[in-house]
Amino acid sequence: AQKITQTQPGMFVQEKEAVTLDCTYDTSDPSYGLFWYKQPSSGEMIFLIYQGSYDQQNATEGRYSLNFQKARKSANLVISASQLGDSAMYFCAMNEDNYGQNFVFGPGTRLSVLP
Amino acid sequence: NAGVMQNPRHLVRRRGQEARLRCSPMKGHSHVYWYRQLPEEGLKFMVYLQKENIIDESGMPKERFSAEFPKEGPSILRIQQVVRGDSAAYFCASSPLDRSNTEAFFGQGTRLTVV
Repeated sequence: AQKITQTQPGMFVQEKEAVTLDCTYDTSDPSYGLFWYKQPSSGEMIFLIYQGSYDQQNATEGRYSLNFQKARKSANLVISASQLGDSAMYFCAMNEDNYGQNFVFGPGTRLSVLP
Repeated sequence: NAGVMQNPRHLVRRRGQEARLRCSPMKGHSHVYWYRQLPEEGLKFMVYLQKENIIDESGMPKERFSAEFPKEGPSILRIQQVVRGDSAAYFCASSPLDRSNTEAFFGQGTRLTVV
């Protein structure tokens, strides 16, 4: 069974600083994908970054990077140079190859960026 | 760049009525996924469909809920005899592949309110 844990219900960060949002996962499948989505107050789900279980390097997308520690089963999202527009809910999600895009989502972390 | 289109964006139904939620996947995508998001929670997988086939409905409640993705037209999530507990945001996602290594593109969601 898959499980995603996000232990930080809420986080605050000062504008222009970096912030790390935690995500740990549990799966017995050797092949899986890890995803981060942003959900602003308007409600849409915005894809941020993807990490495959066999990827050797940590994924990066602009100001977003994923700190992937496979042995610890963690996939933390790092946002550098936070902006006010980064204030939103952030969800970590996982899927296993043979289940297509059947994502399991974590409960989310609400990030608030302070001016 | 037409993304995943969901309509309506907001839907209000009285208890006992039927709710029909529509999802048009991105052009060229033949895989559709429905998720439900209760307030202050992450998304929960409901059902995975390909054209004219239900591939995985393990997250779908056994009663009152049904989904289809016909050969022509949008995917429909149908909720019969709605109850207050059905109030949630319902998201549709589509992808061109049934494997991981890609993001799923989410629609903006339909917010169902049962009064």
